[in-house]
Amino acid sequence: QKEVEQDPGPLSVPEGAIVSLNCTYSNSAFQYFMWYRQYSRKGPELLMYTYSSGNKEDGRFTAQVDKSSKYISLFIRDSQPSDSATYLCASFNAGNMLTFGGGTRLMVKP
Amino acid sequence: DAGVTQSPTHLIKTRGQQVTLRCSPKSGHDTVSWYQQALGQGPQFIFQYYEEEERQRGNFPDRFSGHQFPNYSSELNVNALLLGDSALYLCASSPGTSGIDTQYFGPGTRLTVL
Repeated sequence: QKEVEQDPGPLSVPEGAIVSLNCTYSNSAFQYFMWYRQYSRKGPELLMYTYSSGNKEDGRFTAQVDKSSKYISLFIRDSQPSDSATYLCASFNAGNMLTFGGGTRLMVKP
Repeated sequence: DAGVTQSPTHLIKTRGQQVTLRCSPKSGHDTVSWYQQALGQGPQFIFQYYEEEERQRGNFPDRFSGHQFPNYSSELNVNALLLGDSALYLCASSPGTSGIDTQYFGPGTRLTVL
């Protein structure tokens, strides 16, 4: 079993829709949870991170962590075609080592 | 600020050959991590360098080795290449050794092994 699991998609939504991206993890020692966005043929770009359980909002993006169920979510409001990318959830393992999920490909259609 | 830079952008090698990939960290960053991202997969941690020493290592064979130079730049070497080594190799840099060090990724080097 992978430590961080994601549905690979693709997830296709119309422009303006609310998008929900989700991950589950198995390692109870994880404390920090990150969301990265990766455009085709580019390196991952950090969107936001959260510590422990709770919500964090940044513009159209909201990250949510539920440690009791080991569930990580990213919500995108008013989705735009420019949001089309692969979204990777990740968590810190020992030190600065990131453990990534497999990524979910999102397509926002105009 | 140039951010994290990697070279070359693309590389084609044949099985059994050796390859060296290079990374220059973001200004002010002294820690460099390397990741392998196979097509359609998330990145997998290879190893991390700090103060010119390997600090952590993921589940990769000894064919994968690295080096960090005094200016914090880094190299990833892969010996005896296998077809399965074809992937995007990402370098990430981060500042310091404590706290929630966020890692900034370079654009990657795409390695194709024929």
